[in-house]
Order: sequence, then C-alpha cells, then structure tokens
Amino acid sequence: DVKVTQSSRYLVKRTGEKVFLECVQDMDHENMFWYRQDPGLGLRLIYFSYDVKMKEKGDIPEGYSVSREKKERFSLILESASTNQTSMYLCASSSGTVPHEQYFGPGTRLTVT
Amino acid sequence: DQQVKQNSPSLSVQEGRISILNCDYTNSMFDYFLWYKKYPAEGPTFLISISSIKDKNEDGRFTVFLNKSAKHLSLHIVPSQPGDSAVYFCAARLSGGSYIPTFGRGTSLIVHP
Repeated sequence: DVKVTQSSRYLVKRTGEKVFLECVQDMDHENMFWYRQDPGLGLRLIYFSYDVKMKEKGDIPEGYSVSREKKERFSLILESASTNQTSMYLCASSSGTVPHEQYFGPGTRLTVT
Repeated sequence: DQQVKQNSPSLSVQEGRISILNCDYTNSMFDYFLWYKKYPAEGPTFLISISSIKDKNEDGRFTVFLNKSAKHLSLHIVPSQPGDSAVYFCAARLSGGSYIPTFGRGTSLIVHP
C-alpha cells in the first residue's frame, strides 16, 4: 500500500510567517505534487517534481516555493504567508510507470490569520 | 479556461438508487480519464479509470462510460450507499504520457438513507 504522509493535519499561522509543509511517500515514486483545494475551485496544481532536485511550476506557483532534496520528501514553502493562502494543501505522488494515477496524502488545513 | 468540467456542484440521491456523475472535456488530446473520491478531511483516493480506446469500464458498483464523440464521461454508482457520500473529481490526462492530470472542480454526492 502506498502511503503519503503530511507533517500536519491542521496549522494556524500569522500573516508574514514562513511556513513549511512537509510530505513524505514510502513507495519510491519518482513524481511528487503539491495542490491546493478550495471550495468551488477543485484541485489546483502549485508545483510538481519528477526527480530529486527537479521542480516545475504548476498553475498557481505565485507565493510558493518547493524543495526536493531526497526522493521520498517534497516540501512546500510559503515564504511570507498571506490570508489568501488559507486553504487545504494536498500532496500526491505517482510512479514513473503509471504517472497519472496519483496517491494523495491526508491534507493539511492551513489557516493564515 | 476549464478543460475538464463538472457542471453539477452537487447531487442528492436516495440509498439504493443509481447515482450518475457527469464530466465533460474540451481537449481531444486527452487519452485517459480517472475518477477520484474525496471524503472531508482526507486526501482524494483513486476510484476508477478508463482509456480512450474503451467506452466502458466496470468495477463492482462503479461503472465509467466514455463517449468520445460527445467528449463526455459519466460515473454510475449502483446501488448507491450512504458511505458513497463524498466529493467526486473527474480527471483527464493528455496523450504522450503526461503525468499531470487535469482535474475538474468536483461534484459533491450525498446519498440519503
């Protein structure tokens, strides 16, 4: 069974704080993704990575950065959190052989006050 | 511009009846389609998929139908159960082995006992 874990289920931060969201997968997947989910907007891709130290911008990268130093770990960084970044953040991974079937973590509900 | 559209934000069905969730797409280069199911406070989980070379795929109570000429797919759940109450996301992949699925905005299904 693929397992994708995220460091926190719920997080409350203040405007201007630097925020780190961590994601770890245990299935040796090449590809990892960060999405945010907002009501009525579905899943929107922030960043993805297809290999260690590689990263690509998704549809809404502004205000975010990522880091992938190890294959199993993909971090999302909010350099200076803002209230419009209050959202559910979902990490996912997929294999190189079946890349479009993604396995998601449980999500982190981030509130920025 | 949404390439994958789920035009019904919500659907309410009686237990035991059929649930039909619809999805339309605009890009004829999509060649693989997936449905994900998401419970509140959890990440989406893969449910069922279909290749563009098929018009039907069945897995237990879940069947996905694809009408390529109409650029339309639907997910049928028969019989519906209260535990099926969740948000369902339709997703599509571009031909050429893309590993980035394009998601619809989701349909919230409520199955009443």
